[in-house]
Amino acid sequence: ETGVTQTPRHLVMGMTNKKSLKCEQHLGHNAMYWYKQSAKKPLELMFVYNFKEQTENNSVPSRFSPECPNSSHLFLHLHTLQPEDSALYLCASSRDRNYGYTFGSGTRLTVV
Amino acid sequence: SQQGEEDPQALSIQEGENATMNCSYKTSINNLQWYRQNSGRGLVHLILIRSNEREKHSGRLRVTLDTSKKSSSLLITASRAADTASYFCATDSKNEETSGSRLTFGEGTQLTVNP
Repeated sequence: ETGVTQTPRHLVMGMTNKKSLKCEQHLGHNAMYWYKQSAKKPLELMFVYNFKEQTENNSVPSRFSPECPNSSHLFLHLHTLQPEDSALYLCASSRDRNYGYTFGSGTRLTVV
Repeated sequence: SQQGEEDPQALSIQEGENATMNCSYKTSINNLQWYRQNSGRGLVHLILIRSNEREKHSGRLRVTLDTSKKSSSLLITASRAADTASYFCATDSKNEETSGSRLTFGEGTQLTVNP
C-alpha cells in the first residue's frame, strides 16, 4: 500500500451504467489528481484538486464527473461511457510541488 | 502536445549491466521527476530533480538534468531482474497562473532486465 487507496481495483460496466471510482489518502496531502492511462499513450491528466477546489479540468468529457468532498477523498463519477474510455484510472496525491506524487494502484475499467 | 518523451521506448539488458534512459521536454520547468510502474499497477516516485540542479543520486539511481538542452537521463547501475518495469519522466512546468503542481508524463521506457 502506498497510502493512496483506490476502489474498486477492477470494474466492468455497460455503456448505460452509472458507477463511481473512489480514491482515499490520509497522507495529509493538499492536492489530488485523476489520470487516465490507455495502452500505448502517455498518462493523461484529467482533473486537479487543490485544497478541495478543482483547479483544472483538462477538457474531459462531461460523462466523467469528479467530486472532492474533503482533502482526503476524491471520486470520479462515470455515466454513459464509451468503449474507448476503457483504461487504467489512476489517482494521485501530493504535498506540494517540491515533492513527488503518491499514486494509488488504479482502477482497471472496461466498458462493454 | 506531449511534454516528456523518453528514449529508448524499450531496453533489454542483462543483470549487472547499467541501464540509461533519456527524456526530452519542451517547456520551462520547475522540476522533473522519474517514476517506475510495474505492469498494471500504480506509479512509484523515484526521484525529483529541481530546475536549478544538475545531478542527483538515490541508491543505484543517478539522474541528470540539462535545462539548456531540455533533457534528462536516468541511470540505473548494477541492474537486477526486479528492476524490470516501465520508467516515466514527468515534468512540472512553470505556470504563473497557478501555484499548484500538475505533472505531464512521457510515454515511458520499458526496461527488461534478464537474469
